[in-house]
Amino acid sequence: GAGVSQTPSNKVTEKGKYVELRCDPISGHTALYWYRQSLGQGPEFLIYFQGTGAADDSGLPNDRFFAVRPEGSVSTLKIQRTERGDSAVYLCASSLTTSGGVNEQFFGPGTRLTVL
Amino acid sequence: DQQVKQNSPSLSVQEGRISILNCDYTNSMFDYFLWYKKYPAEGPTFLISISSIKDKNEDGRFTVFLNKSAKHLSLHIVPSQPGDSAVYFCAASAVGTGGFKTIFGAGTRLFVKA
Repeated sequence: GAGVSQTPSNKVTEKGKYVELRCDPISGHTALYWYRQSLGQGPEFLIYFQGTGAADDSGLPNDRFFAVRPEGSVSTLKIQRTERGDSAVYLCASSLTTSGGVNEQFFGPGTRLTVL
Repeated sequence: DQQVKQNSPSLSVQEGRISILNCDYTNSMFDYFLWYKKYPAEGPTFLISISSIKDKNEDGRFTVFLNKSAKHLSLHIVPSQPGDSAVYFCAASAVGTGGFKTIFGAGTRLFVKA
C-alpha cells in the first residue's frame, strides 16, 4: 500500500513569505505527527494530531507556525512570515493508535524548505 | 535541554562484526523507546522498540537493551552488513502518561565497511 507522502519535496521561498506543506498519511492511520529536522540533528517534534484535533502542539516554535487536519486525514503545516531559521526538512509521520499507546510511526520523505 | 542523547556522531565497523549504538536519556517518565534508521533523502524507518517493562528485545540481527537505572539503551547489530550503513536515531516517549510526543536523539551515522 501507499506510504506517507509529502508535497512539495522541495520548497524555496523568500524571507517574509507564507508557505504551506502538505502531508498525506497512510490510509486508516488516526495519528499524525509533524517534525522539523535541521542539519546534523534528529527530528524535532512540532505537533501531534489524533483525528482532526491537535492533541499536543507544544513543539510549535511560535505563533507563525500552524497546522490543520480538517477531515482527519490530510494535514497542512502553515508557516507565516518565514525566516531564514525556518530552513529545515519538515517530516510528517502517521501511526495507528492502539490502546496501549504504542506508536510506531511511518515517516514520509520530508519537504526540504529553504528560506532565502 | 536534550532529553535523548546520542553522544557518538559516527561509528565505523567491519562487515560481519558487531555494531553497538548507544543512547542515554534524562527524563524518567519515558517508558517506551524506539530505534529508527534513516537513509539519505528518505524519512526515518522504524527498526525496533522496547517497553520499559523489559530489558531486552530481539528481532533478527537487531537487539535493543534497556538499563532503566542507568537511563541507557543500546542497539546491537550482529552481524553488521554494508546495507546497515545509515543514520540511526534513538527515540523515547512517555506513553504511560498519555504522551505520544516522541523525542529523538541527534543520531549516529554507522559505516559498515566491506
